[in-house]
Amino acid sequence: DAKTTQPNSMESNEEEPVHLPCNHSTISGTDYIHWYRQLPSQGPEYVIHGLTSNVNNRMASLAIAEDRKSSTLILHRATLRDAAVYYCILRSYNQGGKLIFGQGTELSVKP
Amino acid sequence: SAVISQKPSRDICQRGTSLTIQCQVDSQVTMMFWYRQQPGQSLTLIATANQGSEATYESGFVIDKFPISRPNLTFSTLTVSNMSPEDSSIYLCSVGRDRGDIGEQYFGPGTRLTVT
Repeated sequence: DAKTTQPNSMESNEEEPVHLPCNHSTISGTDYIHWYRQLPSQGPEYVIHGLTSNVNNRMASLAIAEDRKSSTLILHRATLRDAAVYYCILRSYNQGGKLIFGQGTELSVKP
Repeated sequence: SAVISQKPSRDICQRGTSLTIQCQVDSQVTMMFWYRQQPGQSLTLIATANQGSEATYESGFVIDKFPISRPNLTFSTLTVSNMSPEDSSIYLCSVGRDRGDIGEQYFGPGTRLTVT
């Protein structure tokens, strides 16, 4: 399975933008870049995913490097509710749809 | 979207016993997955539960320890057999629409298991 590398933890101030980096230098052409987050005492929830182009949804934006070896999840205005562990995952339809989680980045948000 | 419920939400069990965890989805789904999350750790995939066929287990997990049933497209069970304290974890059910689907995957709230 292709691997991702994320910082163990990051800190942000409330109402400021947050950029969560992810390195995936061994990404293959069939790998989609997925982001999930896990709030305390909850199951993971989907945030966003993309293949080559930058993506936006109501939760976040995903910026993908031109060579696809790295990506950045952008939370435009962090709230206290965004404090969670964020997982960057490479997912291929060849893998039968399963998600393989790495260690993720624990984001704390200060008021 | 899919709404997933799990039963029980938590349990405390004696070593050597078995616990069956249920996962119910509010719509028909092709793919169901079982994960384990040990204290302070990330999620580890245990197996993929396929309707009408045997479950597919990941490396390090075996059917004798974690038997899985998938009787229909909305329900699955995971049994944790002959439990030891090392099995104390949160067990999560997850669903996806189709084999090879790379879209959104939904997770249940988890079952918190403590083995004494």
